[in-house]
Amino acid sequence: QQQVKQSPQSLIVQKGGISIINCAYENTAFDYFPWYQQFPGKGPALLIAIRPDVSEKKEGRFTISFNKSAKQFSLHIMDSQPGDSATYFCAASFSASKLTFGTGTRLQVTL
Amino acid sequence: GAVVSQHPSRVICKSGTSVKIECRSLDFQATTMFWYRQFPKKSLMLMATSNEGSKATYEQGVEKDKFLINHASLTLSTLTVTSAHPEDSSFYICSARVAGGPYNEQFFGPGTRLTVL
Repeated sequence: QQQVKQSPQSLIVQKGGISIINCAYENTAFDYFPWYQQFPGKGPALLIAIRPDVSEKKEGRFTISFNKSAKQFSLHIMDSQPGDSATYFCAASFSASKLTFGTGTRLQVTL
Repeated sequence: GAVVSQHPSRVICKSGTSVKIECRSLDFQATTMFWYRQFPKKSLMLMATSNEGSKATYEQGVEKDKFLINHASLTLSTLTVTSAHPEDSSFYICSARVAGGPYNEQFFGPGTRLTVL
């Protein structure tokens, strides 16, 4: 029940395109859903996060869509750039508990 | 804001020695810090949760006598890998949760690459 399933495992998108990464969870007690971006050899950086009382949150080119009934949430990267090439992790937690991470998506944005 | 530092960034040691990794929250207080381990091309694996002034809580399968965690202040937690062996070689990352923050925001350090020869 603690799992967070993430897909796809890897993704190749052309510059200017939309990158979409999906996550699904089982624990309905989860109430915090962040996305992290990680470059090779670096620690993860908090990108954007959402709570289940809203269905969408947008920050610049990054948007989280949240579907509470389906227990799914996704990250959309608009106008993808080569600098966005990184590994993205979704995560979930409830109250002040530990984060449960997805398995990660390696995004490559080509020219 | 919300900067977390780790020191050292890289360490190479001989088998059997102990290595200490420091994690500091630079511009905020963190009552809780977390230690993760990450293998190449894999997700983050939580090792332990560290609360200031109390004993760390270790995840199942993590040897608490091997991975010693101390959280002596609201801005510093340390991970000591005792009697390190080659299988302990990994990327160790800490994170810190903002004390009293409205959400469960965690900010990660840059990681420490440990290589045990």
